[in-house]
Amino acid sequence: NAGVTQTPKFQVLKTGQSMTLQCAQDMNHEYMSWYRQDPGMGLRLIHYSVGAGITDQGEVPNGYNVSRSTTEDFPLRLLSAAPSQTSVYFCASRDRQGAIDTQYFGPGTRLTVL
Amino acid sequence: AQKVTQAQTEISVVEKEDVTLDCVYETRDTTYYLFWYKQPPSGELVFLIRRNSFDEQNEISGRYSWNFQKSTSSFNFTITASQVVDSAVYFCALGDMDSNYQLIWGAGTKLIIKP
Repeated sequence: NAGVTQTPKFQVLKTGQSMTLQCAQDMNHEYMSWYRQDPGMGLRLIHYSVGAGITDQGEVPNGYNVSRSTTEDFPLRLLSAAPSQTSVYFCASRDRQGAIDTQYFGPGTRLTVL
Repeated sequence: AQKVTQAQTEISVVEKEDVTLDCVYETRDTTYYLFWYKQPPSGELVFLIRRNSFDEQNEISGRYSWNFQKSTSSFNFTITASQVVDSAVYFCALGDMDSNYQLIWGAGTKLIIKP
C-alpha cells in the first residue's frame, strides 16, 4: 500500500502558467480532498469528492479545478497561476464506511508562483 | 458556522515540562468529530486522535492526553514530560455533517521544546 501519493513535491511557476497537481490513492477510498496550507491559517479545503464523477467546492475553490474520473485519482488544476496561490498543497483520502475516520494525507506539494 | 480556534500561536517550554494546547470549536451539529494532527518540521501530517461528540471520556496515550468538554466546546491536548521530538505544529480539526465531514482546521499551535 503506497497510501496517498502526490506529485510533484516542489514546483515553481510563473504567473499565468497552468499546471496540474497529481494525487492518487490505492486504498479504494471514496472521499478525497485537496487542501492548501498557508502560514498561520491552518489547512483550508479547496475541493473535495465523495466518489468518482462527483466533486464539490470547499472553502477556497477559486482558481482551481478538479475532476474525479476514477476512484484512485483526484488531480487539482491551476488554470492561471497567481502569486496568491503560493502555498503547500495536501491531498487527503478517507473511507466513507462507518463514522468518519482518519484522513490519510499525502506528503504535500510545495508550490511557488513568481 | 463551523470554526476551530487555537488561540496559542506558539508555545515554548523546556524539556520535561508539561504543556497543554488549547482547542475551542463551534458547530451547530449534535454529532461531530474532533481531531488532533501533528506536523513535524519535515512537513507531513500525522494523525494523533479522533474523538466523537457523543464520547466525552478523556483519553490517554502514553505521554499524550486529551480533555474533551462539550460544555465549553473544548478539546485540549496535554503532553506530559515533553521531549524535543515533540517539537512540531499541532492542529485541531472539526468534522461535522454541515461540512459533509470535511475537516475544518484550526490555525495550528507551534510547539517548541527546548533541551
